[in-house]
Amino acid sequence: EVQLVESGGGLVKPGGSLRLSCAASGFTFGSFTMNWVRQTPGKGLEWVSSISRSGSSIHYADSVKGRFTVSRDNGKNSLYLQMNSLSGEDTAIYYCAREDYFSNCLPPCYHYYMDVWGKGTTVTVSS
Amino acid sequence: DIQMTQSPSSLSAFVGDRVTITCRASQSINSYLNWYQVQPGKAPKLLVYGASNLQSGVPSRFSGRGSGTDFTLTINSLQPEDLAIYYCQQSHSVPRTFGQGTKVEMK
Repeated sequence: EVQLVESGGGLVKPGGSLRLSCAASGFTFGSFTMNWVRQTPGKGLEWVSSISRSGSSIHYADSVKGRFTVSRDNGKNSLYLQMNSLSGEDTAIYYCAREDYFSNCLPPCYHYYMDVWGKGTTVTVSS
Repeated sequence: DIQMTQSPSSLSAFVGDRVTITCRASQSINSYLNWYQVQPGKAPKLLVYGASNLQSGVPSRFSGRGSGTDFTLTINSLQPEDLAIYYCQQSHSVPRTFGQGTKVEMK
């Protein structure tokens, strides 16, 4: 069964740090770009970060740039998100999501979509 | 960044109704548009990718259409299990922005 399981969430004080993990199973982890997406009651879904298959291409949302670091270990089928300088604005459910794509044109055009999601891990930033 | 705007923010409908959610992009995104369903306590679920392609396993009462800046997600014959928040998301460029969500409730 294709599965993603997040862990590492919890309660942390403002200014603190947390490291999230995402364990993948049931598919060839190293063949897919991976994403972190968070959900808050007020803002809905917000894309946080993505990392390419080899880890050579990484992107961040402006809201977390300079504070969060995404990484992956293909040998361990795992994705990580190191979160530093946390604030209340970072309180959310954090999901990891696999990104797949298809192409229906020539020259190739790539339609990307997040087709497998974990159930999420909750991060609460509060004093 | 490309802004995605959904309407309405919430809606209430009867079981069996036809429901349409609209998503508008701040610039043309061709057909690089996906729809997701988020139910309480569950992982988000991909419904439609590439604006109109139904993800495997998704009931055929769901359909998507559109291109450029204007897109719709339609639920034909709303079912109680469709209670959820629905999000559009553009995959034209990074950052991968989402709409603000549309909450679907039952009357």
